[in-house]
Amino acid sequence: EAQVTQNPRYLITVTGKKLTVTCSQNMNHEYMSWYRQDPGLGLRQIYYSMNVEVTDKGDVPEGYKVSRKEKRNFPLILESPSPNQTSLYFCASSFTGATEAFFGQGTRLTVV
Amino acid sequence: KNQVEQSPQSLIILEGKNCTLQCNYTVSPFSNLRWYKQDTGRGPVSLTIMTFSENTKSNGRYTATLDADTKQSSLHITASQLSDSASYICVASAGRGYQKVTFGTGTKLQVIP
Repeated sequence: EAQVTQNPRYLITVTGKKLTVTCSQNMNHEYMSWYRQDPGLGLRQIYYSMNVEVTDKGDVPEGYKVSRKEKRNFPLILESPSPNQTSLYFCASSFTGATEAFFGQGTRLTVV
Repeated sequence: KNQVEQSPQSLIILEGKNCTLQCNYTVSPFSNLRWYKQDTGRGPVSLTIMTFSENTKSNGRYTATLDADTKQSSLHITASQLSDSASYICVASAGRGYQKVTFGTGTKLQVIP
């Protein structure tokens, strides 16, 4: 089954404790992105990747890191999480920037 | 600045009725417009994607229209069902090669029996 898998689905952590949210897709897509979704603001892009070892900042990259060492995986790293990073996070992948994106199930992160 | 505005913010309709959601966009250079359905707490799911040369596209009971001249799109839902209760998000893409996407904040639709 074609899918984008994120882990974990839910995470509560403390300020400053490094964490990684994993994202994996099985569709051989080149494009992958991370978004955060906050009430009233819609989805905002954090980082995107056009292919292996090619990543770039989206609209709200501060406080986040990503890596793309393999085509199927695109982890999101929070080196020192802060409470303003409490949000619902989505990973997405697509064949190109012009085709439909497939989203993961989401990761609800709470930083206390 | 690229922008996507959706209306109404929320809508309640009776099961079996039709409804139309609106989207106005300002992105340049325009590439395509997409509609997604997002159930509460779940990832968005693609409904339609249209380029500037397409006026209308259907996906079952969902029909999207695009007017590239006025930069407006609409999503029409026919014979609504309780399972249509969700947020509907309009997304406009700009550029060539990698495309910058701009999301609307969505219309929250509730279908009641």
